[in-house]
Amino acid sequence: ETGVTQSPTHLIKTRGQQVTLRCSSQSGHNTVSWYQQALGQGPQFIFQYYREEENGRGNFPPRFSGLQFPNYSSELNVNALELDDSALYLCASSPGIVYGYTFGSGTRLTVV
Amino acid sequence: KQEVTQIPAALSVPEGENLVLNCSFTDSAIYNLQWFRQDPGKGLTSLLLIQSSQREQTSGRLNASLDKSSGRSTLYIAASQPGDSATYLCAVEEGDMRFGAGTRLTVKP
Repeated sequence: ETGVTQSPTHLIKTRGQQVTLRCSSQSGHNTVSWYQQALGQGPQFIFQYYREEENGRGNFPPRFSGLQFPNYSSELNVNALELDDSALYLCASSPGIVYGYTFGSGTRLTVV
Repeated sequence: KQEVTQIPAALSVPEGENLVLNCSFTDSAIYNLQWFRQDPGKGLTSLLLIQSSQREQTSGRLNASLDKSSGRSTLYIAASQPGDSATYLCAVEEGDMRFGAGTRLTVKP
């Protein structure tokens, strides 16, 4: 399978709820990163996984957590949703440093 | 802490013009720099990847340069078309990727 696939494309949740976003990467892409993009801003790094271990984290609270699976899929979980969590969430994967990243189309999360 | 800045924030040009988008970064210890295109509400499409040992990359009407010592990159778009209208983002990789806020380009017919 080629490319990075994210699901769902859109999601509406209520403040305080929990959400799981999913990403499916290409075979061989051992590194996956998640980003949050607020309207009119550049993507902000949430965290990165390499071979199923967290390999770096941005300035996001612990209620943002993730998992990476052996089949090159990954999840972003957000607990206790806040209104400010409303954003486009992007998944990106890479087979290695010199190859750059391939991004998915994103999941638009709206918290009401 | 790496800071990535893109200038201008917005740009409107008539069709056919050549244009330059600028990106600057504060820490030159990067693995590579990547330029992306983003259409409204969509994900990121990679345009060009410049590795840290390279000076430039070209793809069709696009040319990107990298000067690590000065912390600058430029994206040159030749003979702009209305279909080029989008937001252009640059990102530097140092393990994870750090993005600028983007340049919103409008090409008028």
